[in-house]
Amino acid sequence: DGGITQSPKYLFRKEGQNVTLSCEQNLNHDAMYWYRQDPGQGLRLIYYSQIVNDFQKGDIAEGYSVSREKKESFPLTVTSAQKNPTAFYLCASSMGGRNTGELFFGEGSRLTVL
Amino acid sequence: GENVEQHPSTLSVQEGDSAVIKCTYSDSASNYFPWYKQELGKRPQLIIDIRSNVGEKKDQRIAVTLNKTAKHFSLHITETQPEDSAVYFCAAKGEKLTFGTGTRLTIIP
Repeated sequence: DGGITQSPKYLFRKEGQNVTLSCEQNLNHDAMYWYRQDPGQGLRLIYYSQIVNDFQKGDIAEGYSVSREKKESFPLTVTSAQKNPTAFYLCASSMGGRNTGELFFGEGSRLTVL
Repeated sequence: GENVEQHPSTLSVQEGDSAVIKCTYSDSASNYFPWYKQELGKRPQLIIDIRSNVGEKKDQRIAVTLNKTAKHFSLHITETQPEDSAVYFCAAKGEKLTFGTGTRLTIIP
């Protein structure tokens, strides 16, 4: 069953701790993305990667880091430098390239900082 | 960079009536405009998209129109049903995909 899987679904973290959100896809997609969803603010792009071993900052990259060591995997680390990390995080993938646009989303990870 | 504005933020319509959601974009180089539907507690899913060489596209009860000159595009849902209740996001793609802030559509039975 092809798709994109995020884990964990819910995560609680104390202030000052780093946390890593997992994102795995078996769709053979080249491009992967991380979005943050807050009420009333839509989906804001954190980081994206169009190919293995390469990634670019999105609109709100401060306080986050990513890696893309494998085509299937694009983990996101929320660092202690992120000032307001409580949010719903969505990972997505797409075929990539300039002419293909459909994003396939994971089910999301809800992070709460206590 | 691209800026996408979406209106209204909330919309309530009687079942069977039509719903229209409008978006504007800033980057004239954007050439792909998808619409995503996110039901409560679920992931966003693509419902329809349009490319810049087309002015209108229709899929059953859903249609999208694009005015490149004015840089705006709209989603039209006809004969609305309760299962149309969701948050809808427009987006525009130039170098990367930029989303609007979303419209919460409620269909009143």
